[in-house]
Amino acid sequence: QKEVEQNSGPLSVPEGAIASLNCTYSDRGSQSFFWYRQYSGKSPELIMSIYSNGDKEDGRFTAQLNKASQYVSLLIRDSQPSDSATYLCAVLSGSARQLTFGSGTQLTVLP
Amino acid sequence: DTAVSQTPKYLVTQMGNDKSIKCEQNLGHDTMYWYKQDSKKFLKIMFSYNNKELIINETVPNRFSPKSPDKAHLNLHINSLELGDSAVYFCASSHPGMGEQYFGPGTRLTVT
Repeated sequence: QKEVEQNSGPLSVPEGAIASLNCTYSDRGSQSFFWYRQYSGKSPELIMSIYSNGDKEDGRFTAQLNKASQYVSLLIRDSQPSDSATYLCAVLSGSARQLTFGSGTQLTVLP
Repeated sequence: DTAVSQTPKYLVTQMGNDKSIKCEQNLGHDTMYWYKQDSKKFLKIMFSYNNKELIINETVPNRFSPKSPDKAHLNLHINSLELGDSAVYFCASSHPGMGEQYFGPGTRLTVT
């Protein structure tokens, strides 16, 4: 059974701080890793994808992948109130290349 | 210029009824999906179609039947609705086998 687990929330950070979101996955054969953001009442939207070990930066967002530890993280620098949302970790794996989502971490950035 | 659209946005119905949700994408993707998001926000895949062919059929009751008339459309028909079917249903699309998926706005189904 493929599982994706995220650190339990909710997570609150002050404006301007770094928010750190963590995710672990069980299928060692997983191929690709994604972070989706979901605002309340809205649909998930892709914000980051990462395929190889190391860091990937996109603006204020940095995704980190460690396949040996089966660990993915998302750092949000200079957090803004507009970053307040639920962040979903997703892992692509299996012959059917199925996307499995974690349960999400709700982030609140306090002004 | 809606990329992935779903209708209806809200659906309130009684137990035992049959209902359908429609999805259309104009992104030119070959693969479409149905996901269910429960009250705890857990997003779980139900079905995946690639160019009208069923690829993924997770363990969902037989009361749920997807239908893809062409690669731009994927509909979901639900028979004999139950209270536990209440959830938000999202349609999504992507290029085949890709995790970069584009989601529709969702259909909030409430069964009373």
